[in-house]
Amino acid sequence: EIVLTQSPATLSLSPGERATLSCRASQSVSSYLAWYQQKPGQAPRLLIYDASNRATGIPARFSGSGSGTDFTLTISSLEPEDFAVYYCQQRSNWPRTFGQGTELEIK
Amino acid sequence: EVQLVESGGGLVQPGGSLRLSCAASGFTFSRYNMNWVRQAPGKGLEWVSYISSSGTTIYYADSVKGRITIFRDNAKNSLYLQMTSLRAEDTAVYYCARDDNSSGWYFDPWGQGTLVTVSS
Repeated sequence: EIVLTQSPATLSLSPGERATLSCRASQSVSSYLAWYQQKPGQAPRLLIYDASNRATGIPARFSGSGSGTDFTLTISSLEPEDFAVYYCQQRSNWPRTFGQGTELEIK
Repeated sequence: EVQLVESGGGLVQPGGSLRLSCAASGFTFSRYNMNWVRQAPGKGLEWVSYISSSGTTIYYADSVKGRITIFRDNAKNSLYLQMTSLRAEDTAVYYCARDDNSSGWYFDPWGQGTLVTVSS
């Protein structure tokens, strides 16, 4: 099973700042990695797929990069609605696995 | 509008059974692979099971293998999860999620979830 490790566990930033979230895989997943956003009481929402492609309707301030074992989600300038929990997920191998999440909180 | 609506959750005793349903609308259900993903209270996401569009290919997480069965009825645009021998650690919100080929075969969209509580 591929283990995804996200860091940091919690990130405290202010609106307007840049957020950088990391996801590291225990073995190569090529570019088969996605990022999801989850707000309290809501289902997750797909943000980025195949490491760097924005899903439909996702604002341009969200970007993804990386390949192999190291991946990054960047939010260029935080909006109030961006404070949430973010998960990475791989589809390179079965079982599909998620990282443990990074909570992005308002400083 | 693409929509997934789960139902069937509730309180069940350890060792009991439950069947979850997911009603799909707004897209051609029979053309899409589907999944169940769960989230224990205050915890992260855990993929549970996958079924191909025709129902011929199925995968399970090790944590539920032998206790859970995924199946679908394409005529009714519905996905199901039959859960047996339930344990306290199965307590979670269960989401159905579509494998979206236009978004790289990731989970998109998700339903709103249905809560399963296993407790005596």
